[in-house]
Amino acid sequence: AQTVTQSQPEMSVQEAETVTLSCTYDTSESDYYLFWYKQPPSRQMILVIRQEAYKQQNATENRFSVNFQKAAKSFSLKISDSQLGDAAMYFCAYRSAGFGSSNTGKLIFGQGTTLQVKP
Amino acid sequence: SQTIHQWPATLVQPVGSPLSLECTVEGTSNPNLYWYRQAAGRGLQLLFYSVGIGQISSEVPQNLSASRPQDRQFILSSKKLLLSDSGFYLCAWSGGTRTNSPLHFGNGTRLTVT
Repeated sequence: AQTVTQSQPEMSVQEAETVTLSCTYDTSESDYYLFWYKQPPSRQMILVIRQEAYKQQNATENRFSVNFQKAAKSFSLKISDSQLGDAAMYFCAYRSAGFGSSNTGKLIFGQGTTLQVKP
Repeated sequence: SQTIHQWPATLVQPVGSPLSLECTVEGTSNPNLYWYRQAAGRGLQLLFYSVGIGQISSEVPQNLSASRPQDRQFILSSKKLLLSDSGFYLCAWSGGTRTNSPLHFGNGTRLTVT
């Protein structure tokens, strides 16, 4: 079974600085998808960024980018120019890239990292 | 555009009472549907998922059950709540035909069992 591990329960960053959140996963599959979700105090789950395992190029979305290391099974999230609104809990998630009846689409989540942004 | 509705937002129920949480999706057809639970300050645990009407898969044995009476409706139920059922419940959907489709979440239900 696949597992996702986020080893940093809490992180803090100064406003306008850069922070990196770590995520590792364990799988025997070669094709899969990885996601980062943000959960602010409202507890709404917001998709931040996604990465397809077959793509070598790291995904980017504005100030958010990932460092995807497939061999190391590592998927870290970098937030540049941190803003007060980035304060939230961040979850790393894994999805198998199955087809047909195995395409359930379910995500396996890590335990989350709470990010504090200091003004 | 697609939207997901989940209700109620907050619920306080006594131990032993029944539970019914409802989730509906608009703007898409034949979605995959999911129920997750989040304990305070913890990650999300998948409870149930459904790839079609009447098709329910359970991820963990527990006091809860799920049903999908219509294509875009997903219901989480319990006949008798336990204290351990307290938590934050999230419904989500994904496009079943697209393997890279992310999950889209509802706003969640905060359940307190007293």
